[in-house]
Amino acid sequence: GDSVTQMEGPVTLSEEAFLTINCTYTATGYPSLFWYVQYPGEGLQLLLKATKADDKGSNKGFEATYRKETTSFHLEKGSVQVSDSAVYFCALTYVTGGGNKLTFGTGTQLKVEL
Amino acid sequence: DSGVTQTPKHLITATGQRVTLRCSPRSGDLSVYWYQQSLDQGLQFLIQYYNGEERAKGNILERFSAQQFPDLHSELNLSSLELGDSALYFCASSVSGLAGDPPYNEQFFGPGTRLTVL
Repeated sequence: GDSVTQMEGPVTLSEEAFLTINCTYTATGYPSLFWYVQYPGEGLQLLLKATKADDKGSNKGFEATYRKETTSFHLEKGSVQVSDSAVYFCALTYVTGGGNKLTFGTGTQLKVEL
Repeated sequence: DSGVTQTPKHLITATGQRVTLRCSPRSGDLSVYWYQQSLDQGLQFLIQYYNGEERAKGNILERFSAQQFPDLHSELNLSSLELGDSALYFCASSVSGLAGDPPYNEQFFGPGTRLTVL
């Protein structure tokens, strides 16, 4: 079955540090890939997405590139802010039999300190 | 605000009881999805409905059931509750949810219902 593996957290960084959160996936076929963010006490928000190999998703300074050869979709940001503190989920959608479920990684908590 | 609403926000109940969680999708969205978020299992897909019909099923227990009504809102029914059912239950919606153009399958999540079983 499909699966997503994320790096364990929590990740603690100082403000303005560079962020990388690793994500690799296993899927049959060609899924769409997503990063969702969950702020404390809130639901999930779509951060960025990529629908085919070599696509780069970007939003709010975050980027991730769909790498088919390494089955990866690592999240990066050049300079994190305290307001980026949240839990980040990597996910894939693989349409099977007409459905469209999201398969999530375990989530990586990011803490950004001053 | 994603446009997806869920009620109630919090629910506290006892083992053996039955509860109903409600979700209203974004205007125009035909698909509704239910997910469970727990500490030990992470975020797990439960079930998807498209325009009133069940479309996909995940790791949903037999004690749980869902439906989508003609006005497209959905309800998740949890019965014979156990301590392990304590979790955050999210609803999401998308325009489509069928095989085809991925952008139309983007899912928007509600704020969740936190269920505590004592």
